[in-house]
Amino acid sequence: GAVVSQHPSRVICKSGTSVKIECRSLDFQATTMFWYRQFPKQSLMLMATSNEGSKATYEQGVEKDKFLINHASLTLSTLTVTSAHPEDSSFYICSARGGQNNSPLHFGNGTRLTVT
Amino acid sequence: AQSVAQPEDQVNVAEGNPLTVKCTYSVSGNPYLFWYVQYPNRGLQFLLKYITGDNLVKGSYGFEAEFNKSQTSFHLKKPSALVSDSALYFCAVRDRTAGNKLTFGGGTRVLVKP
Repeated sequence: GAVVSQHPSRVICKSGTSVKIECRSLDFQATTMFWYRQFPKQSLMLMATSNEGSKATYEQGVEKDKFLINHASLTLSTLTVTSAHPEDSSFYICSARGGQNNSPLHFGNGTRLTVT
Repeated sequence: AQSVAQPEDQVNVAEGNPLTVKCTYSVSGNPYLFWYVQYPNRGLQFLLKYITGDNLVKGSYGFEAEFNKSQTSFHLKKPSALVSDSALYFCAVRDRTAGNKLTFGGGTRVLVKP
């Protein structure tokens, strides 16, 4: 089945630094990938839709300059958290849909970001 | 706008008993409906989906769900729960006429006790 690989699985960084998270579709091409954020014991909140070869579409309230998304190829999207602060600490999950429009999303295993 | 409601934050069930996780949805058009399961510190795993056709959908690990259009529900069921089914379950909906956005319910934690 379709596999989405997300790296790193866990990262700790200091306040003010930037962190890059990679999301790869391993056995299918994904023109669209999605980035979610999940707070403890809460549901997934869509942050942005990443489109290969074009600008990402951000959800209302998500700062595009803080959460930089690059979808440079059909198998790779990156999320960079710039100038991270402790309130950015969260679980970030990427997903991609392969094949037809009614195909399910396949999720990466998530990245636990802790900003100290 | 589309939305999903999972009315129960947690469901407790004894191993071997039937398990039901409730989900209701709201979309303006016809829905695609999904169930996902999440284990601690992991991403979501796809369980099953309803696109069209038979209202009873069978999925992974013995789970099934029934699409009920009149009640706008898509409850997840398993006839005999296992301790290993303990996890966080998410229902999700996508309006097939409203683009790619998938909306998740708040999640239901399932605890299966031996």
